[in-house]
Amino acid sequence: DSGVTQTPKHLITATGQRVTLRCSPRSGDLSVYWYQQSLDQGLQFLIQYYNGEERAKGNILERFSAQQFPDLHSELNLSSLELGDSALYFCASSVVTGFHGYTFGSGTRLTVV
Amino acid sequence: GQQVMQIPQYQHVQEGEDFTTYCNSSTTLSNIQWYKQRPGGHPVFLIQLVKSGEVKKQKRLTFQFGEAKKNSSLHITATQTTDVGTYFCAGQTSYDKVIFGPGTSLSVIP
Repeated sequence: DSGVTQTPKHLITATGQRVTLRCSPRSGDLSVYWYQQSLDQGLQFLIQYYNGEERAKGNILERFSAQQFPDLHSELNLSSLELGDSALYFCASSVVTGFHGYTFGSGTRLTVV
Repeated sequence: GQQVMQIPQYQHVQEGEDFTTYCNSSTTLSNIQWYKQRPGGHPVFLIQLVKSGEVKKQKRLTFQFGEAKKNSSLHITATQTTDVGTYFCAGQTSYDKVIFGPGTSLSVIP
């Protein structure tokens, strides 16, 4: 157990639908990062939050949005889902903003059918 | 745009052979980290390199950061089946932006 909790572990949904992925960072970590990993692909950075505020944005589609709540958990919302959105979505956290090592959760595997 | 490349994409080795993966950035990095992802698992942080020319060792793993801080390597001596997985480098630029390389997938033949 890495200390970063992601739910659900698996999600199967139809095209056009909307889903919410949830992440609870490791205790004490203020930064949360979302990554997308498609089959046999690398890790694509989506978005970062630090202590409730958006800190950096990567290749995140307009159909996707995220937020970090006062208790530091984060949610990634994916809407108008397409087949190509099927992927593993990882959340990672770190103790401070910057780059001191990420702790990744076990991921949510999203399948769009 | 800014890129981080890794070679090779795949590597198959006989157990006991050595393995090296190389990471190259198109821009100078503030630091670089290495992660390992086992099949079906999530990336796990291995190490961070910060200084130009830095070399760090973890048992059979040796990590190097280039003098120009644009490249790095991970070398595994005498691979074991437990080394199987994908190794990612991740580089930070001066603008607090982190980019992961595409990874090198290592298979070890017993």
